[in-house]
Amino acid sequence: GNSVTQMEGPVTLSEEAFLTINCTYTATGYPSLFWYVQYPGEGLQLLLKATKADDKGSNKGFEATYRKETTSFHLEKGSVQVSDSAVYFCALSVIYNQGGKLIFGQGTELSVKP
Amino acid sequence: NAGVTQTPKFRILKIGQSMTLQCTQDMNHNYMYWYRQDPGMGLKLIYYSVGAGITDKGEVPNGYNVSRSTTEDFPLRLELAAPSQTSVYFCASSYYTGTSSYNEQFFGPGTRLTVL
Repeated sequence: GNSVTQMEGPVTLSEEAFLTINCTYTATGYPSLFWYVQYPGEGLQLLLKATKADDKGSNKGFEATYRKETTSFHLEKGSVQVSDSAVYFCALSVIYNQGGKLIFGQGTELSVKP
Repeated sequence: NAGVTQTPKFRILKIGQSMTLQCTQDMNHNYMYWYRQDPGMGLKLIYYSVGAGITDKGEVPNGYNVSRSTTEDFPLRLELAAPSQTSVYFCASSYYTGTSSYNEQFFGPGTRLTVL
């Protein structure tokens, strides 16, 4: 079946530290991959996306590369800020699967301290 | 554009009560979705709709009903509320062609529901 596995949180970092949140997936066919971010008390916002192997998605200093050989889509940021504190969800969508529903990982909470 | 709006933001229900969660999008998207988010878990799909008049079950549809009479609106109905339905509910929409895997969804702010 289709599934997403993320590293467990919470992750606590100091400001300006390097961030990696691991995400691996299992999917039939060729999925599209997404990172969504949920700030406290808010809905989910798309952070970045990649639609085919070797694509790199990037936004707001965050990056993730679609690695088909390792079925991974790890999220990275070179220097985190306090404002990056949020829950991050890795997700995928596949064709012909319940209306293209998004399949989510369990989320990784990030806390950045000053 | 307001995007995807949901009402109410918070609600407490007693066991056995019923309610409707409202969802509206102004992006002329064809697909709409309802997800629930339980603590420490990812989102699970409850129902989805591919267009006005067409709905289908997702992974966890029991205890819920939906309708889609217009492109814009996709209400979720809870009948006979149970404590297991305590969750945060998110509505989402997308313009999805179904011809590829790419399906970027836009989410509302959520409704936090507690059933006591």
